[in-house]
Amino acid sequence: EDKVVQSPLSLVVHEGDTVTLNCSYEVTNFRSLLWYKQEKKAPTFLFMLTSSGIEKKSGRLSSILDKKELFSILNITATQTGDSAVYLCARPGTYKYIFGTGTRLKVLA
Amino acid sequence: DGGITQSPKYLFRKEGQNVTLSCEQNLNHDAMYWYRQDPGQGLRLIYYSQIVNDFQKGDIAEGYSVSREKKESFPLTVTSAQKNPTAFYLCASTPWDGTGANVLTFGAGSRLTVL
Repeated sequence: EDKVVQSPLSLVVHEGDTVTLNCSYEVTNFRSLLWYKQEKKAPTFLFMLTSSGIEKKSGRLSSILDKKELFSILNITATQTGDSAVYLCARPGTYKYIFGTGTRLKVLA
Repeated sequence: DGGITQSPKYLFRKEGQNVTLSCEQNLNHDAMYWYRQDPGQGLRLIYYSQIVNDFQKGDIAEGYSVSREKKESFPLTVTSAQKNPTAFYLCASTPWDGTGANVLTFGAGSRLTVL
């Protein structure tokens, strides 16, 4: 089924930096794209994007979808050590969710 | 509070033993999923179920079995045929109303270690 590709695979930054994580997807009957944050436990939901060009925002995190170019970005501004995690994007396929391999972010104090 | 309960949280197993991981949800979700996660890896789908008494193999079903006798329950059995079962196992569910715009909710996970 359609792939979801995330980049970079890993990233190391210092506190206060801004990061941009990428998620690209192939498309067959696109309906939504989801972002999750995973620390050493279960993934927690961040955003669901369904419409192109509309930014979703929560505190220092924001995300936007480009349905024409088939990608989404997740921005984190003024990073903190608590942002260190694996960030996953996923999209629903025919009967299941397709996940990317994730971006591992490490924020150094 | 609604959610997904997975048990046990940690499990140790000897080689050759079958183990069953429990997953119960009280969200009234139709679809349930089992994922496996290895260190530094993404999520790989083991099995999924859209309705009661029906389930489908995912990408890595070999050595695993499931049942869906009740809407709220989707247990996973890791059999002795699974060659490398040490991993973090995640159960998830979603309403799956056909819109494709539903959030996938996860349980807290079960960490299985084979000794």
